[in-house]
Amino acid sequence: DAGVIQSPRHEVTEMGQEVTLRCKPISGHDYLFWYRQTMMRGLELLIYFNNNVPIDDSGMPEDRFSAKMPNASFSTLKIQPSEPRDSAVYFCASSTSGGTYEQYFGPGTRLTVT
Amino acid sequence: GQSLEQPSEVTAVEGAIVQINCTYQTSGFYGLSWYQQHDGGAPTFLSYNGLDGLEETGRFSSFLSRSDSYGYLLLQELQMKDSASYFCAGDGGYQKVTFGIGTKLQVIP
Repeated sequence: DAGVIQSPRHEVTEMGQEVTLRCKPISGHDYLFWYRQTMMRGLELLIYFNNNVPIDDSGMPEDRFSAKMPNASFSTLKIQPSEPRDSAVYFCASSTSGGTYEQYFGPGTRLTVT
Repeated sequence: GQSLEQPSEVTAVEGAIVQINCTYQTSGFYGLSWYQQHDGGAPTFLSYNGLDGLEETGRFSSFLSRSDSYGYLLLQELQMKDSASYFCAGDGGYQKVTFGIGTKLQVIP
């Protein structure tokens, strides 16, 4: 069984550029989460979806961040324009409402904005 | 919202027992999860306490006391591979969790 898949694994970009992070959740999972992890702020929930519908985006830092889930097997997190303070590891996770409370995390995307 | 507090670092000897505490303040709380994260890796689920009491899974146990807004993760027979960060996470309902800042555990020989 494939786990949560994220791409790219590493991204280095210049300030002002658009960045798109991608996630494929585990098949059959109906919840999808985007997190950001930094040393200073720890693991922060940015947004999460249930059945492809955004449920809570209160963690999205500002309008530069947007997320979409066009279907059950794909989600994107976009940053436009990117800034150096956006440098972090971005994790996607998925879970199922019918199972345990476990969230399954992808390997993460390490984003560096110079 | 939720806020969770846990120690930033803990050091313990291989073969020993270590307890990582977590206290929480929350306006809506359904349970407490624990996750492990090795350096450079992704968080992985360890346990969930929805009810008061102790849950045991092999060398790891987790405890919850709602009346005290407190929980802990207990690791027994520590191994070098247990060196990692451990996060408590409050379940706010509808699958939404809030993570603590994490406790970095160092196991020494």
